[in-house]
Amino acid sequence: DGGITQSPKYLFRKEGQNVTLSCEQNLNHDAMYWYRQDPGQGLRLIYYSQIVNDFQKGDIAEGYSVSREKKESFPLTVTSAQKNPTAFYLCASSRGPGATEAFFGQGTRLTVV
Amino acid sequence: AQSVTQLDSQVPVFEEAPVELRCNYSSSVSVYLFWYVQYPNQGLQLLLKYLSGSTLVKGINGFEAEFNKSQTSFHLRKPSVHISDTAEYFCAVSESGSARQLTFGSGTQLTVLP
Repeated sequence: DGGITQSPKYLFRKEGQNVTLSCEQNLNHDAMYWYRQDPGQGLRLIYYSQIVNDFQKGDIAEGYSVSREKKESFPLTVTSAQKNPTAFYLCASSRGPGATEAFFGQGTRLTVV
Repeated sequence: AQSVTQLDSQVPVFEEAPVELRCNYSSSVSVYLFWYVQYPNQGLQLLLKYLSGSTLVKGINGFEAEFNKSQTSFHLRKPSVHISDTAEYFCAVSESGSARQLTFGSGTQLTVLP
């Protein structure tokens, strides 16, 4: 089945540690996105990538980093510089930057302990 | 700049009753509008979208929404809800129509009661 796979589903991290969230898609989509979701708030865009080896900051990129070495993969690293990392993280993709529909993965819930 | 306001954070409703989830947007240009649904601990799924044409848009699972330009609204409706409709619903706007420029509302939790 085509889709977006995020792993792990739940992740615990100690303060001061970096952690990487995985996102893989087999939809052959060019564009990929990372969103952060907090209770009572909508989704906020962290980073997006329109093509391989290219990515742009979204609205809340501070404390995060990404890479796009392969079309299928768009990992997100939450660094120790992110002051409040506990959240639900959603990865999404679309056929291209002009496509209207985004397809979402099932999310990773990150908790800092 | 574009923005979205979902007026109700929680909407409880009894099974088989009708429901309306409200969404208002702000933009200085023409917009494209979307409704997404999120089931617990899941990603988002597109319910329906308005790009152009008829202002009444039908989506999956029996939902529909009406684009009202004069009132800058895009309310979501269903004539008869089921327990399985319990989820969080997000309204989103894009000035370009591109998924890259989606702005999401804060969400409305729909709870269907038996």
